[in-house]
Amino acid sequence: AQSVTQLGSHVSVSEGALVLLRCNYSSSVPPYLFWYVQYPNQGLQLLLKYTSAATLVKGINGFEAEFKKSETSFHLTKPSAHMSDAAEYFCAVSDRGSASKIIFGSGTRLSIRP
Amino acid sequence: DTGVSQDPRHKITKRGQNVTFRCDPISEHNRLYWYRQTLGQGPEFLTYFQNEAQLEKSRLLSDRFSAERPKGSFSTLEIQRTEQGDSAMYLCASSLAVGESYEKLFFGSGTQLSVL
Repeated sequence: AQSVTQLGSHVSVSEGALVLLRCNYSSSVPPYLFWYVQYPNQGLQLLLKYTSAATLVKGINGFEAEFKKSETSFHLTKPSAHMSDAAEYFCAVSDRGSASKIIFGSGTRLSIRP
Repeated sequence: DTGVSQDPRHKITKRGQNVTFRCDPISEHNRLYWYRQTLGQGPEFLTYFQNEAQLEKSRLLSDRFSAERPKGSFSTLEIQRTEQGDSAMYLCASSLAVGESYEKLFFGSGTQLSVL
């Protein structure tokens, strides 16, 4: 069964610094991969997705992620952190095909230091 | 379009009681998911529907949990004989699945269950 592992339950960076949130997936074939974000007291919302087009995927708010098949990774990055980026970030995976459920990782809480 | 709505927002119940939650998805969405989330964890898959058909139910889910989507629109999640371990946020999400295209899930705000 497919799964994702997020390394680091909590990441803290300074405002303006690089953000790197790690996600590794387990799947026998290249899956669909997603990053979702949950801001405090809000529901989850899609940040970006990989569906087999370009391996470098750009999302909202300046985030991007790169699909690396050789490393089975889909790490999320942002060149310069902003205070408003503080949130919980979830990597998710689903098999290709029309009847596949979406499985979430355990999440990484991102804190931004002034 | 009002998004995915869940009712109630909060539910406090005593151990052993039955509870039922409701989810109204975005109207044109054919797929509906139930997840459970505890503090500091990611959403845990419970079950999902394609229209009125329940496609999969998590093996981690006990027989005390049942979900329905009778007309392919709203869905209910019932927990019988609640236990303290059932305390969690129950999330509903919907999507429009077309062929093998990716799905963007739209989440509701959840129902927070506290079992005393």
